[in-house]
Amino acid sequence: DAKTTQPTSMDCAEGRAANLPCNHSTISGNEYVYWYRQIHSQGPQYIIHGLKNNETNEMASLIITEDRKSSTLILPHATLRDTAVYYCIVKGFQGAQKLVFGQGTRLTINP
Amino acid sequence: SQTIHQWPATLVQPVGSPLSLECTVEGTSNPNLYWYRQAAGRGLQLLFYSVGIGQISSEVPQNLSASRPQDRQFILSSKKLLLSDSGFYLCAWSPSHEQYFGPGTRLTVT
Repeated sequence: DAKTTQPTSMDCAEGRAANLPCNHSTISGNEYVYWYRQIHSQGPQYIIHGLKNNETNEMASLIITEDRKSSTLILPHATLRDTAVYYCIVKGFQGAQKLVFGQGTRLTINP
Repeated sequence: SQTIHQWPATLVQPVGSPLSLECTVEGTSNPNLYWYRQAAGRGLQLLFYSVGIGQISSEVPQNLSASRPQDRQFILSSKKLLLSDSGFYLCAWSPSHEQYFGPGTRLTVT
């Protein structure tokens, strides 16, 4: 699985868009980009995933660069409840999805 | 809709005592199941996964074992707990790409 690099922490004002970057320069052609978040004292929550194309769901948008070496998770209108650690994970899709969680980005939404 | 249950929510056990944590999933069949642990201030670590009844794969050597006696039941066990077994234990299931996590069990070994 490709290694990912994320900033340790970020701040964002409530109501603004939160843009969380992730570098994955060694990603291979069959590997997906997955985003999860973990709110304090809770289990991780799946957000979104993508392979090549940009993706959007009710929680967020995922923008993947054309060369697939980096991606950005966008929370369009951040709220205080979006304060969490966000994990970017790159891996191929197999029968069992053995996720490896790094340190992630601690996102703080400020009022 | 699918739901995942874990119990107990919190547990305090002495060193050397046995452990049994249970996870059940409702609303789906033949899910892939996972056990993770998060030690205090550390990241999540995959301990075991299962793709079917009686099929268990271990990711790290340790004092723990897992079993899957029924399709939607996943059990984490230990015969003798160590202090280093303390942590936040999370069960997860996946229908496809995404994984859905349970509420977790916070274990303190004293």
